[in-house]
Amino acid sequence: EPEVTQTPSHQVTQMGQEVILRCVPISNHLYFYWYRQILGQKVEFLVSFYNNEISEKSEIFDDQFSVERPDGSNFTLKIRSTKLEDSAMYFCASSEEAQAKYFGPGTRLTVL
Amino acid sequence: AQSVTQPDIHITVSEGASLELRCNYSYGATPYLFWYVQSPGQGLQLLLKYFSGDTLVQGIKGFEAEFKRSQSSFNLRKPSVHWSDAAEYFCAVASSNTGNQFYFGTGTSLTVIP
Repeated sequence: EPEVTQTPSHQVTQMGQEVILRCVPISNHLYFYWYRQILGQKVEFLVSFYNNEISEKSEIFDDQFSVERPDGSNFTLKIRSTKLEDSAMYFCASSEEAQAKYFGPGTRLTVL
Repeated sequence: AQSVTQPDIHITVSEGASLELRCNYSYGATPYLFWYVQSPGQGLQLLLKYFSGDTLVQGIKGFEAEFKRSQSSFNLRKPSVHWSDAAEYFCAVASSNTGNQFYFGTGTSLTVIP
């Protein structure tokens, strides 16, 4: 069964550093998403991406965040200057239609 | 505003016993409803979804869920739990308009005892 993959599985960084989280969505999917889950809290929506542009974003997704689909297979989330409160599990998701989403295993980001 | 409530933070059941995980949602229009399971260190796996039609939906791993509009509920059930079902379960709702945003509940942690 096809699946969404994410790398790395765990990223440790110093506060203020830039990080790039990578995702490979399912190949025939057209909608891409990033969600995050701070430890012990709900999974929160960050951003959705369709047709090479952001289609929707939450209040969390401020100017320090950006997304990109640099080629036909990867979908990245960049955090320009990480803060301690960015520590979370970041999930990539993709879907063929707008409502049924398949999630990746997540990248655990630890900001020191 | 849309929201999802999972009243049970943690549930413990014996292997072979039946299971029901509760989910209540708040949304004005017809919601799209989902159940996901998250095993330790793993991603979110889709168990089942409800968009329309038959209010009893079947999912993977022997799970089913029933949409009850009058109660704004979408409870997850399994007639006989296996030890491998121990995990975190999340209910989620998406708007029927855009479907871009998922609203997740806080999750229910399931422990299965032998």
